[in-house]
Amino acid sequence: ETGVTQTPRHLVMGMTNKKSLKCEQHLGHNAMYWYKQSAKKPLELMFVYSLEERVENNSVPSRFSPECPNSSHLFLHLHTLQPEDSALYLCASSTRLGTTNEQFFGPGTRLTVL
Amino acid sequence: ILNVEQSPQSLHVQEGDSTNFTCSFPSSNFYALHWYRWETAKSPEALFVMTLNGDEKKKGRISATLNTKEGYSYLYIKGSQPEDSATYLCASFSGAGSYQLTFGKGTKLSVIP
Repeated sequence: ETGVTQTPRHLVMGMTNKKSLKCEQHLGHNAMYWYKQSAKKPLELMFVYSLEERVENNSVPSRFSPECPNSSHLFLHLHTLQPEDSALYLCASSTRLGTTNEQFFGPGTRLTVL
Repeated sequence: ILNVEQSPQSLHVQEGDSTNFTCSFPSSNFYALHWYRWETAKSPEALFVMTLNGDEKKKGRISATLNTKEGYSYLYIKGSQPEDSATYLCASFSGAGSYQLTFGKGTKLSVIP
């Protein structure tokens, strides 16, 4: 148990659906992250939040919309996704932003877009 | 090197063997190097965060070294056990003002009992 939970663990959705991924951390951390792992690719950073403010957005398509209502919760809202968006989506947190702060990961949501 | 490269991509070792694998990263604007261990169906877990050239860190049977001048890190596992089977990821921070960890694709280790 890393102290970071994600729901749902598996999600199948059609291209016209709207769904949300949820991440919660019980560690009192101030920074939270969304990562994507596609098949045979390394983990790719999507979004970074620090104290509920977005500080980095890596040219992610607008069909992915993050939300951080407080420092313990992070959402990824999904709409009109494409089949190539099928991937493992991981949430992570760290005590604060910084290069030496290890990140604590959730178990991920396996997303399939039909 | 623009990306983080890990080798080998996968390896199989017998229980009790020692093994090591490599992470190569951009040496310019280096800030930190992270190692994570990722077991199947679980969350990645941090092993080490390293910043200083020549640094060596150890956790049980696992150790890591860092060469920031030439841009590589080695991860060593002594006396591999089946529970060491996992994918080992390295990631580097480089570039001022960025909070992005750039990950390698990982080395998948299988320890055969």
